[in-house]
Amino acid sequence: EIVLTQSPGTLSLSPGERVTLSCRASQSVSGSYLAWYQQKPGQAPRLLIYGASSRATGIPDRFTGSGSGTDFTLTISRLEPEDFAVYYCQQYGSSPRTFGQGTKVEIK
Amino acid sequence: QLQLQESGPGLVKPSETLSLTCAVSGGSISSSGYYWGWIRQPPGKGLEWIGTIYYSGSTYYNPSLKSRSTISVDTSKNQFSLNLSSVTAADTAVYYCARRSTGYPPDYWGQGTLVTVSS
Repeated sequence: EIVLTQSPGTLSLSPGERVTLSCRASQSVSGSYLAWYQQKPGQAPRLLIYGASSRATGIPDRFTGSGSGTDFTLTISRLEPEDFAVYYCQQYGSSPRTFGQGTKVEIK
Repeated sequence: QLQLQESGPGLVKPSETLSLTCAVSGGSISSSGYYWGWIRQPPGKGLEWIGTIYYSGSTYYNPSLKSRSTISVDTSKNQFSLNLSSVTAADTAVYYCARRSTGYPPDYWGQGTLVTVSS
């Protein structure tokens, strides 16, 4: 099983700031099959990035995914008020599919 | 627009079987290349993949839950289901159903349903 470790656990930031979230895998993620999700309280996760760097339909270009192998990053260029949420990475190249434990981006 | 809707009891007793159904609308569950799955999230915690089914009936399970999980599909009703047996308090979670395409992660999710295991 591939274990995904996200860091940091929590980020306290202000609107307009740039944020970088990390997701490290315990072994190489096959085919860069790495996704990022955003989840707000009481809502289902929303797909942001798939294939490590491709934006899902309707996702603003301030969200950028990068990385390969075992190290992946989600960057939000300028935080908007609606971006404060929990972010999860998921690998879907190997079974069982696994998720990171999440990074909470909160308002400072 | 594809929509998924979970339904089932919100309270299950320990040692009993949790049963949930996901109704799919706005698309056919029998469409080629789409997989239908269950993911859960204990209160305040992260996400855990339970398993996935193809319309043909092929199933894929998380080894950690495989012995207690059964996912089935009813193409005539355009829905799929999850049975989780011998539940304990550790199975208390929001259960989501979701769709993914071949080679892609889940992109359509239901709103989720909270299932509490308690006597």
